[in-house]
Amino acid sequence: GQQLNQSPQSMFIQEGEDVSMNCTSSSIFNTWLWYKQDPGEGPVLLIALYKAGELTSNGRLTAQFGITRKDSFLNISASIPSDVGIYFCAVTGGTSYGKLTFGQGTILTVHP
Amino acid sequence: SAVISQKPSRDICQRGTSLTIQCQVDSQVTMMFWYRQQPGQSLTLIATANQGSEATYESGFVIDKFPISRPNLTFSTLTVSNMSPEDSSIYLCSVVTSGSITDTQYFGPGTRLTVL
Repeated sequence: GQQLNQSPQSMFIQEGEDVSMNCTSSSIFNTWLWYKQDPGEGPVLLIALYKAGELTSNGRLTAQFGITRKDSFLNISASIPSDVGIYFCAVTGGTSYGKLTFGQGTILTVHP
Repeated sequence: SAVISQKPSRDICQRGTSLTIQCQVDSQVTMMFWYRQQPGQSLTLIATANQGSEATYESGFVIDKFPISRPNLTFSTLTVSNMSPEDSSIYLCSVVTSGSITDTQYFGPGTRLTVL
């Protein structure tokens, strides 16, 4: 089946630092999504990317849809304690619209 | 947007029993899905809940183990049948509201199931 390789698995950073995480796939996808999951909650959509090469920002978050349509990255600038959580990339596309395939997740810890 | 509630929020069950999880949305939605998140793992799609017809299951998931109902556009249930400790997971309901390819997929808070 479809597989996404997300890295790093975990990150421990100081408040104020920038963070970068990425996802790669051997298959082409039409949509790349980035979600954040807080403890005890369901994932919440951060950024959606629909076009190869697209660069989209949401506050301190920036994500890009790779030109090959096989990868994406998410950057968080000037991290704050509430950025703590698990970040997932996800894809959907073609006939599988609405059915998401998730990466393994990146656990982010921010030290004040 | 869509606000999703799930019941129960958590449960501890004995092996061999069954648990039905409810998903309620505050508005009519086009598509509803059920995902499983095993401890420390990512989310895996179980099935698409189809209104008025049988759910569409992903590879590795079967109706006898995970029967699903969707009687209307705002409600669905997932039953975890004949449970074993391997079924201990978070089960999440997810919806898409309009069917547009740019539509956001929303997730419920999840039901945390522990099977002893």
